[in-house]
Amino acid sequence: DQQVKQNSPSLSVQEGRISILNCDYTNSMFDYFLWYKKYPAEGPTFLISISSIKDKNEDGRFTVFLNKSAKHLSLHIVPSQPGDSAVYFCAASTNAGKSTFGDGTTLTVKP
Amino acid sequence: KAGVTQTPRYLIKTRGQQVTLSCSPISGHRSVSWYQQTPGQGLQFLFEYFSETQRNKGNFPGRFSGRQFSNSRSEMNVSTLELGDSALYLCASSWGGTSGGLSYEQYFGPGTRLTVT
Repeated sequence: DQQVKQNSPSLSVQEGRISILNCDYTNSMFDYFLWYKKYPAEGPTFLISISSIKDKNEDGRFTVFLNKSAKHLSLHIVPSQPGDSAVYFCAASTNAGKSTFGDGTTLTVKP
Repeated sequence: KAGVTQTPRYLIKTRGQQVTLSCSPISGHRSVSWYQQTPGQGLQFLFEYFSETQRNKGNFPGRFSGRQFSNSRSEMNVSTLELGDSALYLCASSWGGTSGGLSYEQYFGPGTRLTVT
């Protein structure tokens, strides 16, 4: 049973446009959600997070939205840049030190 | 601050052998978690150590074990290797508290690529 799902394996957008990456989860006990970015041959890098008591968190070009009733979160990148091209992982946690990850979405930003 | 380091970066082993992977966390971080990444399975949680004790455990067989030392460095051991153990093994460190956002943010090393033949 996959508790965190990223249904789009890949996404391609034009430079300057908005990238929207989606993530669904099934476990209502998750209380913290995170997004990580991964470049080839490197480990994932923490990007942005949101607590379950919030519905939005913003950090520069990155905004994460949480819809608890739908068990859905999304990452918006505006404007998208070619350097944003990477694999993006959604993760959810009930316990510090343990995260459940989705399978990742490969974002390609075209110049 | 230096990042999370993992050694070795690449490893080739034969079925039936055992392997030990090492992880040095960011200075000051007391929690170390291990994940297995395979192409079809994403990142799967193995276990987490905090203050030399296993605090969280994933759903992996007992062939996978770990430990943490007093300096927070951690090792992961896989015994009786199988072909399906071929994967990228990622170590992540965090400050280790049990509440607050910082407790959940993990910092990953580059991984150890294990190939079992």
